[in-house]
Amino acid sequence: RKEVEQDPGPFNVPEGATVAFNCTYSNSASQSFFWYRQDCRKEPKLLMSVYSSGNEDGRFTAQLNRASQYISLLIRDSKLSDSATYLCVAAYNFNKFYFGSGTKLNVKP
Amino acid sequence: DTAVSQTPKYLVTQMGNDKSIKCEQNLGHDTMYWYKQDSKKFLKIMFSYNNKELIINETVPNRFSPKSPDKAHLNLHINSLELGDSAVYFCASSHGGTADIYGYTFGSGTRLTVV
Repeated sequence: RKEVEQDPGPFNVPEGATVAFNCTYSNSASQSFFWYRQDCRKEPKLLMSVYSSGNEDGRFTAQLNRASQYISLLIRDSKLSDSATYLCVAAYNFNKFYFGSGTKLNVKP
Repeated sequence: DTAVSQTPKYLVTQMGNDKSIKCEQNLGHDTMYWYKQDSKKFLKIMFSYNNKELIINETVPNRFSPKSPDKAHLNLHINSLELGDSAVYFCASSHGGTADIYGYTFGSGTRLTVV
């Protein structure tokens, strides 16, 4: 079983839509959680950390549910530039980061 | 100034060859990593060094040998390359600590193709 699982998508949404991704993690000892964004043929870049209390950064909201071992990312008012692959990360045991295989988002005009 | 730089960006080589990929970070981070991203886009950790000391060594063939001459550099040497080694290899660095909220900074990747 993979440490972190995500729906690969693609999610095809029109501009302005709200879209949500979930990901589940298998190790209950996971301590830190992140969402990364990866554009085609580029390196992953940190989008946001995910805190226990949930956190928001502009149009992006991340939530953590430890009881059910999942994290979520909500994107409001989607822009064309949001098109990318979104990688979920669970980390534990001294910087051991486990990445999901990513959820692809296509925002269409 | 590039924060995490790795070279080369592209590497095409024949089976059986030995090759190296270099990585340098100028962020003052304590920990550096090598990740492999396969054709299915799955990013898998290979190695991690903290202050030149190997702390993570996942199940990787021993043809892969990391070397960290100092905490700003982490190189990856691969012996006897095989077709299945074709992938994108990402170097990354972080401040360190499991509660690190800053995550990783990745290099731009080395696209290795073994023919």
